[in-house]
This record gives sequence, C-alpha cells and structure tokens, in this order.
Amino acid sequence: QQQVKQSPQSLIVQKGGISIINCAYENTAFDYFPWYQQFPGKGPALLIAIRPDVSEKKEGRFTISFNKSAKQFSLHIMDSQPGDSATYFCAASLGSYIPTFGRGTSLIVHP
Amino acid sequence: ETGVTQTPRHLVMGMTNKKSLKCEQHLGHNAMYWYKQSAKKPLELMFVYSLEERVENNSVPSRFSPECPNSSHLFLHLHTLQPEDSALYLCASSQESRGLHEQYFGPGTRLTVT
Repeated sequence: QQQVKQSPQSLIVQKGGISIINCAYENTAFDYFPWYQQFPGKGPALLIAIRPDVSEKKEGRFTISFNKSAKQFSLHIMDSQPGDSATYFCAASLGSYIPTFGRGTSLIVHP
Repeated sequence: ETGVTQTPRHLVMGMTNKKSLKCEQHLGHNAMYWYKQSAKKPLELMFVYSLEERVENNSVPSRFSPECPNSSHLFLHLHTLQPEDSALYLCASSQESRGLHEQYFGPGTRLTVT
C-alpha cells in the first residue's frame, strides 16, 4: 500500500519557469511533511518541510503549499534554474517517526 | 557533505560472492538506517538501529544482514544476492531526541549483481 503518491514522475521546465510537484497522502494522522532533493551521485538531502498547522511555507525560491482537507501538498520552485535539476521526493511521517517517501520526481530545467 | 560517509561507492559482485557495505556518521547521532533505492520506486527502508535496538522490514530477504557495532558505524553484509538486488543502497542517520524523521543521508553505494 502506497501511503504517499507523488506526481509527475518526470518534469521538464524552462529556466525561469515554475516547477510544481504534487503529493497526496492517505493517513490523516501524518503531521510532518518534508521534501528531499537528490542530485546524481548524492544521497537525498532535506530541502524544506511543513507541519499541517500552516498552509504554506516559503524558503527562498522553494514553497510548500499544504491542503489538509484534500490531503495534498505540493512543492513549488519559482524561477527554476538548471542547478535545480535533481530528483525530488516528498515524504510524510507521524510524530517523530521514520517518514514514508513518495516515488520521486525527476526535474530537468533547461537553460 | 552531510557527515555520513559510505564505502565503497560502487560495487559489482557475483551471485555467489560475500561482501559488506560500510557506513560511518560523524554527526553524533544515535540512530542509523539502511535504505534501498531502485529506479522509479519509493525509498525502501530495510533496517533501523535506534538506541541500540534493531528494527527491520520483514520483507527484506535474509541474504541482507545488518550489523551496528556502535552508534557511529553501520554495516550491511551481503551474500548470495540476486540480480534484482542491484540498486543504490543508502545509509542515513538521525538524532533520536530530535525525531527520527530528520534524517541525514550518505551518498550511497551503487551495487550491481551479475
């Protein structure tokens, strides 16, 4: 049973455009939603995270939008740059426990 | 760098070989993990060592055997693997007091089973 569904599987965006990656979860008890960024040859690294008591969190060009009623959250990358090309994973966890990961989205930003 | 190192970075082994993957964390964390990352699949948690207690995913075959001699080192012993075991094996660590969800990953070992 996949508890976190991520889409799209791959995404191509032009430099300067907005990249949007979506995730949906099933367990309403989840209370921590991180996004990880993974470059080729590297392990995933925590990028940004949100808790369900807020609807949006912004850090630089990266924004998480959270819709608790729809059980969905998304990552928006504004002014996308070629250096943002990577695989992005959403995740969800309950309390302080180990997160459940989505399948990942391969983002390519063309110069 | 994240403070989590893994060796070797690449490994090619036959199905009858025995090898070990090594992970070391320099962050002072007290929980360590092994994950398997296959193409187009979610990260699969294989094993957790948290406060010296081992937790495992029951779906992991017995040909994978973890060892955690102390809070800084973690091994994954491999024997009689199958071609479908080819994947990127990631080690991660976290600090129990800050919650197991704040994980720091190593660069991974790319394993190819021939």
